[in-house]
Parts: sequence; C-alpha cells; structure tokens
Amino acid sequence: QVQLVQSGTEVKKPGSSVKVSCKASGRSVNSYGISWLRQAPGQGLEWMGGFIPMLGTAKYAQKFQGRVTITSDESTSTAYMELGSLRFEDSAVYFCAKASYYYGSETPYGWFDPWGQGTLVTVSS
Amino acid sequence: EIVLTQSPGTLSLSPGERATLSCRASQSVSSTFLAWYQQKPGQAPRLLIFGASTRAAGIPDRFSGSGSGTDFTLTISRLEPEDFAVYYCQQYDSSLWTFGQGTKVEIK
Repeated sequence: QVQLVQSGTEVKKPGSSVKVSCKASGRSVNSYGISWLRQAPGQGLEWMGGFIPMLGTAKYAQKFQGRVTITSDESTSTAYMELGSLRFEDSAVYFCAKASYYYGSETPYGWFDPWGQGTLVTVSS
Repeated sequence: EIVLTQSPGTLSLSPGERATLSCRASQSVSSTFLAWYQQKPGQAPRLLIFGASTRAAGIPDRFSGSGSGTDFTLTISRLEPEDFAVYYCQQYDSSLWTFGQGTKVEIK
C-alpha cells in the first residue's frame, strides 16, 4: 500500500510562492496520479490539479490556472505543488492524494486513496 | 462544473442511532465516479465508499452507500463513538473533481 508523506508547515508573505512536497513509497511517483487539494480553515475540500500518468503532465482546475504548477522528481519519488502570487485567502491545509488511472487512459478510477497527512500553509504579512 | 449539495449540514444523533446523509448533484453523475470520505479534526480525509456503493478496504459494514443519477446517500446503520466526524461526497466529471460542502455528524 502506497504511503504519501508531505513536507512541513510553511509561513509565507503575500505575493511570494510556496512549494509543498509529497514523497511516495512504492513504485515510480509518475505512475501514480497524484492530485493536490486544499482545505481552508473550517471549510470543505477543493481540488487544485493533478498529474495524469498517460499524458505525462498535469491538469489544473480553472481557478488555479497560471498560478499553480505540479511537478515530480522520479529519482526521489516525490511530487511537488508550487503555488505563486500568494494571497491571504490561500492560507489552508494542502493535501496530496493518489488517484489511480486505468492503464493507458486519462480516465481515473474515481476516488482519492490514500492521502498525505496535510501541510499547513499560512500567508501572513 | 457539477455542484454537489450535502444535507443536512449538521446531524445530531446518539451512539447506536442510524445516520442518513444526502448528496445531491446539479446534474447526473456516473456512479463509478461518486465517492464518500470521513474526516476527523486534524486528519486527512479517509476513503469510505467508492463507485457509490462499494466499501473501501477495512471499512466496517455499518457504512453503506446507495443512489444514482443526481441523488446519493451514505448510511451509517448504528453509530459508534468513532463515527462522529465530517463526511464529504465527491464526484469526477470532464477532468474536474468536486466535493460537497460536508455533513457534520455530532453527538447529541
């Protein structure tokens, strides 16, 4: 069973960027469809974007297009999410999660499992 | 974008009671792409149900999912103390994943 371990708490200033990591155990990280989601304090879950193994690239939610970049490092089996132009409202817990995909297809199984433990990002001046 | 609306917002019940949580979609959702999660304070969500009605590995059989089209339900047959948490439904359609706003199941 794959495990996802995320990097630690970040405090950033408005206008700066944050890069959160997610280390995967098991197979190549690019064989997993790692997605990134966030949860603002007391709020629900929001999908930001995710890696599609068949495409070899990520797709992003329109809300975050141009501001978020999802990458990976095969040598360390680590996925990354970088969010730029940070605003106060980007303060949230950021999660990585695995979405399995049918082999050779852009179609996912349809759920996220497992999840990383979450990374708190606080944007403060 | 498909919007998921969960009801009620909060469910106040006692241990041993039955919980029925609703998730309504703004347009039809394939059952294949409907999942339910449980989240406790300070923890990541945990997958409970996928494919609208299939329990994930290790999930007790007091949890069950049903529904199709635009109306889906998560039922907890007899609440155990560890079941008091927030529950989210989630769908996937056209390369976009969305979640409901959550139902909090609290101890009465």
